Amino acid sequence: SAVISQKPSRDICQRGTSLTIQCQVDSQVTMMFWYRQQPGQSLTLIATANQGSEATYESGFVIDKFPISRPNLTFSTLTVSNMSPEDSSIYLCSVVQAVEQYFGPGTRLTVT
Amino acid sequence: GNSVTQMEGPVTLSEEAFLTINCTYTATGYPSLFWYVQYPGEGLQLLLKATKADDKGSNKGFEATYRKETTSFHLEKGSVQVSDSAVYFCALRSGEGAQKLVFGQGTRLTINP
Repeated sequence: SAVISQKPSRDICQRGTSLTIQCQVDSQVTMMFWYRQQPGQSLTLIATANQGSEATYESGFVIDKFPISRPNLTFSTLTVSNMSPEDSSIYLCSVVQAVEQYFGPGTRLTVT
Repeated sequence: GNSVTQMEGPVTLSEEAFLTINCTYTATGYPSLFWYVQYPGEGLQLLLKATKADDKGSNKGFEATYRKETTSFHLEKGSVQVSDSAVYFCALRSGEGAQKLVFGQGTRLTINP
């Protein structure tokens, strides 16, 4: 199974600032996924990140707001830009390995 | 498009009660179906899965059967414990080359001693 770590685990940020979340996997994976879980809500896919190419964003999410980097097969970052209170959520990194999907512990973001 | 509809929560039961959490889906092709669980303060974990019609996934006393005719994947457990208190998510993966999951809205389960 894949073991995923995320940093930071939580943060409180002021509106208008940006936060970069890091995701590290203990093995090489082709695709990494970033999800958002708003308070009391289900998980929504933000984007899919492949190594060496631009991320593919889901409807309602744009690169200017959520830029993603994927410099190698074990690491990715998601930046939440120009934050507003509506961005307060848990952000989760996820990978697929041997048809199983694994999730990181999440980054709990609060925007004040 | 693909979607998952789960039983509205929250659900509160007494210990040793029988549990059913309903899940129905809409999908193109032949989806794989999953139940994920999120315990308080923890990350999302795969609970069980089924990849084709009539498959039964099971784990930790939980079961769910992939019913193509009713497009359902209901989660059941015969005797719940306090430690089963968590949020449960039904999810599917479908489509050519699909890797991403589509989740239901989640059902919060509380088990009282």
